[in-house]
Amino acid sequence: RKEVEQDPGPFNVPEGATVAFNCTYSNSASQSFFWYRQDCRKEPKLLMSVYSSGNEDGRFTAQLNRASQYISLLIRDSKLSDSATYLCVVNKGGGNKLTFGTGTQLKVEL
Amino acid sequence: EAGVAQSPRYKIIEKRQSVAFWCNPISGHATLYWYQQILGQGPKLLIQFQNNGVVDDSQLPKDRFSAERLKGVDSTLKIQPAKLEDSAVYLCASSEVGRGAGNTIYFGEGSWLTVV
Repeated sequence: RKEVEQDPGPFNVPEGATVAFNCTYSNSASQSFFWYRQDCRKEPKLLMSVYSSGNEDGRFTAQLNRASQYISLLIRDSKLSDSATYLCVVNKGGGNKLTFGTGTQLKVEL
Repeated sequence: EAGVAQSPRYKIIEKRQSVAFWCNPISGHATLYWYQQILGQGPKLLIQFQNNGVVDDSQLPKDRFSAERLKGVDSTLKIQPAKLEDSAVYLCASSEVGRGAGNTIYFGEGSWLTVV
């Protein structure tokens, strides 16, 4: 089983739609969680951290379920500019040892 | 503030040749990472340095890959001899040293390697 698993997609959605991505992780001792965004042929960039209580940043909401070991990202009112690959990232412990999922590709269409 | 600098951006080599990539992290960042990202996959950590010491190199294919960060600032990743399956983007990243998990990692634009 992979340490971090994501549906690779692509998710093709119309502009204005709400879309959700899930990610599961295998190591129950994982300490922190993130979503990174990667545009085509660009480097990954931090989108948001994921907190146990859930957190929101504008149109983006991230949630963590430790009991089920999954993380979610919800994007409301999708924009064309949201088209990218969204990488689920898990930190196993101290020292910033990040494990990346394969990414979920989102395409927002007119 | 200057970001993570990498060079060269693109490199095409024949199999069995060697190649070296250079990285200069964000000023003041003690932790430096090299990731390999194969097309369609997420980045995979090859090696992590804190200052000039290796923190994790468990996924580095040591028979052909080597990396160094001699003065605790910039770093070089070398592949010798290259194989076709080494075709990938090599991403350098850096972060501040933190007591626990969660410091943001900043990536460079990557060095794109094609082995033919």
